[in-house]
Amino acid sequence: DTGVSQDPRHKITKRGQNVTFRCDPISEHNRLYWYRQTLGQGPEFLTYFQNEAQLEKSRLLSDRFSAERPKGSFSTLEIQRTEQGDSAMYLCASSLAAASYEQYFGPGTRLTVT
Amino acid sequence: GQNIDQPTEMTATEGAIVQINCTYQTSGFNGLFWYQQHAGEAPTFLSYNVLDGLEEKGRFSSFLSRSKGYSYLLLKELQMKDSASYLCAVRGDNQGGKLIFGQGTELSVKP
Repeated sequence: DTGVSQDPRHKITKRGQNVTFRCDPISEHNRLYWYRQTLGQGPEFLTYFQNEAQLEKSRLLSDRFSAERPKGSFSTLEIQRTEQGDSAMYLCASSLAAASYEQYFGPGTRLTVT
Repeated sequence: GQNIDQPTEMTATEGAIVQINCTYQTSGFNGLFWYQQHAGEAPTFLSYNVLDGLEEKGRFSSFLSRSKGYSYLLLKELQMKDSASYLCAVRGDNQGGKLIFGQGTELSVKP
């Protein structure tokens, strides 16, 4: 399968714990995006990378959130001291670096904070 | 500010045609995308418009009017499998390519 993959698909954690999600983009794509989606809403942009550089972060991304893409390939999103409001689907997408190219989404990681 | 509006829900009959509208107000415009999302699955790309006019792709067409901040997605010969959420998304004036999504339109196709 040459699509975008995410791991894990589901994560249940207790409030206050740290969690880390992984995204593997399509291999030739140099742009990687993280979005968050809650039930009945469209995805909301969190951050994006071009190669290994993190070029933009949303105001939604509090200090508890950090993302990396160390070698310009896979990316990780870590949430520290999780809160119940962090419960959502976390989607990763990748694309080529041109405005006309569509973003390909992964299956998402569904996070439930109890 | 950035705002994208689309109807929350629509219902249509199998075999019919349905039009899903989207209006947007963004600080810039660098293309409009439509995605389909089945429950519990990832969004999948349907169409892209950057110039005014109609783009046709099989049973799906998308229209854009930049002066009106308006787009629609037209689905013809509806099938039961078309029941899904349809997301309108705008790429703004930055070069990063991030998408600003509407809340999605939940389409139910009935026999």
